[in-house]
Amino acid sequence: EIVLTQSPDTLSLSPGESATLSCRASQSVTNNFLAWYQQKPGQAPRLVIYGASSRAAGIPDRFSGSGSGTDFTLTLSRLEPEDFAVYYCQQYDRSPRTFGQGTKVEIK
Amino acid sequence: QVQLQQWGAGLLKSSETLSLTCTVSGGFFSGYYWTWIRQSPGKGLEWIGEINSSGNTNYNPSLKSRVIMSIDTSKNQFSLNLTSVTAADTAFYYCGRPRLAVRSPLGYWGQGTQVTVSS
Repeated sequence: EIVLTQSPDTLSLSPGESATLSCRASQSVTNNFLAWYQQKPGQAPRLVIYGASSRAAGIPDRFSGSGSGTDFTLTLSRLEPEDFAVYYCQQYDRSPRTFGQGTKVEIK
Repeated sequence: QVQLQQWGAGLLKSSETLSLTCTVSGGFFSGYYWTWIRQSPGKGLEWIGEINSSGNTNYNPSLKSRVIMSIDTSKNQFSLNLTSVTAADTAFYYCGRPRLAVRSPLGYWGQGTQVTVSS
């Protein structure tokens, strides 16, 4: 199975700053079948990015995804208070679908 | 608006069978691979498997021997059975639907069900 490793585990930032989250795959993810989810306490994950770089419906343009192959990045520009959450990457290229362990973006 | 509502027993004893059902409202039911995910502090998010309206399934190999998924298209429902549970199966369980009918990530999630397995 494809193992996804996210880094860092935690990012401590202030509102207005930018965040760069990394997701590295143990094997190449073809067709950029990689997604990012946001999860807040007590809630189900919410799709943020699909196809490595396409924003899901209702996601503001301060969220951007990039990358291909084995290295992917989620960038959050100008952090708003509602952006502080845990972010997970997921590959839906091969079965079993797998998730990264998550990166927590917390308020500094 | 697509909505998924799930339910099932939240407290089980070791060796019992976990049973959860998810009802879908809004949107089409056919054409999608309906999915179960679980989340535990120790293992994070784990994909359990998926089933389509024809009953075709894909299971996570790590759980395949204990998982049975079923679907009832007349009720827009799909279900998860996980047999012989242990404490390691304690987790929050979610049902979900992909964003699109073609291969895509989960765009819709149920509210989740906390399942606790006691010995």
